[in-house]
Amino acid sequence: AQSVAQPEDQVNVAEGNPLTVKCTYSVSGNPYLFWYVQYPNRGLQFLLKYITGDNLVKGSYGFEAEFNKSQTSFHLKKPSALVSDSALYFCALLKAAGNKLTFGGGTRVLVKP
Amino acid sequence: DAGVIQSPRHEVTEMGQEVTLRCKPISGHNSLFWYRQTMMRGLELLIYFNNNVPIDDSGMPEDRFSAKMPNASFSTLKIQPSEPRDSAVYFCASSQRTSGEETQYFGPGTRLLVL
Repeated sequence: AQSVAQPEDQVNVAEGNPLTVKCTYSVSGNPYLFWYVQYPNRGLQFLLKYITGDNLVKGSYGFEAEFNKSQTSFHLKKPSALVSDSALYFCALLKAAGNKLTFGGGTRVLVKP
Repeated sequence: DAGVIQSPRHEVTEMGQEVTLRCKPISGHNSLFWYRQTMMRGLELLIYFNNNVPIDDSGMPEDRFSAKMPNASFSTLKIQPSEPRDSAVYFCASSQRTSGEETQYFGPGTRLLVL
């Protein structure tokens, strides 16, 4: 069975400070990992994904994520957070050659001015 | 491209009524997914289709729920009869399945309230 964990329900950060949202996963075989963001009353928007290759993946809106196979982690990062980054963030796992995304429970990010 | 389109965006109904949610996937995508989001259970995959064929409906809660995809550009999720515990946000997503690493793109969701 595959699973995704987002250990923090909420992350608070001051505007301009670095933002990190944590994600760990468990799967047999190669993982495909995704980050999505959800703004209030909106659908999930794709941010970035890791398939293979470089462990550091760059995505939309200045976000990046680092795949760490030994720690089975895929943390989302942004060097300088904006108030507009306040939203709900989901990490998701797709088993290679599979079809079903497994989502973490989500982390609410609050960026304070 | 307009992205995944869902209708209605909001639905309020009374217990026992039939509810039909609609989805138009991104043109050219051949996989379609229905999800449900609640505070208690988070995001749950209900069912997905490849090339209009239902592949896995193990997430469908019970027989009151049914989904169809009559063609590549349209899918419905029906609840009959509806119950208050069905209140949730229902999302449709689509992807172009080719090599197994496809990104799913989500619609804006339908917020359902069953009274």
